[in-house]
Amino acid sequence: QSGLTQPPSASGAPGQSVTISCTGTASDIGAFDFVSWYQQHPGKPPQVVIYEVSKRPSGVPNRFSGSKSGKTAFLTVSGLQADDEALYYCSSIAPRNTLILFGGGTKLTVL
Amino acid sequence: QVQLVQSGTEVKKPGASMKVSCRASGYNFISYGINWVRQAPGQGLEWLGWISTNHGGTNYEPKVQDRVTLTRDTSTNTVYLELRSLSSEDTAVYYCAREGRQATASPMGWFDAWGQGALVTVSS
Repeated sequence: QSGLTQPPSASGAPGQSVTISCTGTASDIGAFDFVSWYQQHPGKPPQVVIYEVSKRPSGVPNRFSGSKSGKTAFLTVSGLQADDEALYYCSSIAPRNTLILFGGGTKLTVL
Repeated sequence: QVQLVQSGTEVKKPGASMKVSCRASGYNFISYGINWVRQAPGQGLEWLGWISTNHGGTNYEPKVQDRVTLTRDTSTNTVYLELRSLSSEDTAVYYCAREGRQATASPMGWFDAWGQGALVTVSS
């Protein structure tokens, strides 16, 4: 089973909002509310910014929000800041095959 | 605070085996499962497997399940990833990552703490 599908890149100016999509299938994102989003800066391990579709871990700014519609999950980053420039990966459980799927990653550029 | 500290860089020959460790501190070790995720140079994330630190049960990614073994040592709060029959395609940074929820029966994809990563290079 191939991974989840993300756009390779996204961009926005400081202060603007940007939304990144993550498309799966009826067997993963479409079936379960276990979608997570990770932010990764160069040379660093990933850090979770959203889990279980829309929950935000403590310490993550409320500028980060998550949602889901059918087989597609979304990460929205509002009030873009320079430090938001990073790679963003989505993940979902996929019990029918490999248990955890990742998206290919989206490079977010703050213009 | 929660910390996952991994072993260091390794260089291996094709066909050899690797074993990376991940020592946990700052929480009750047996309450949270540990996952392993790897990232090839310039590539995305790939989940490899999960181990219950409580009872030792495991789940593996089908593509590597014939070559991978996860174990844990509750006396030292350490989890180990062993990968055998290495090829150049296994060159990657290997991360351990803690499950965000306690006592799950399988991985749920919410990883709330990560190790610093261990670079493993497979080259002749």
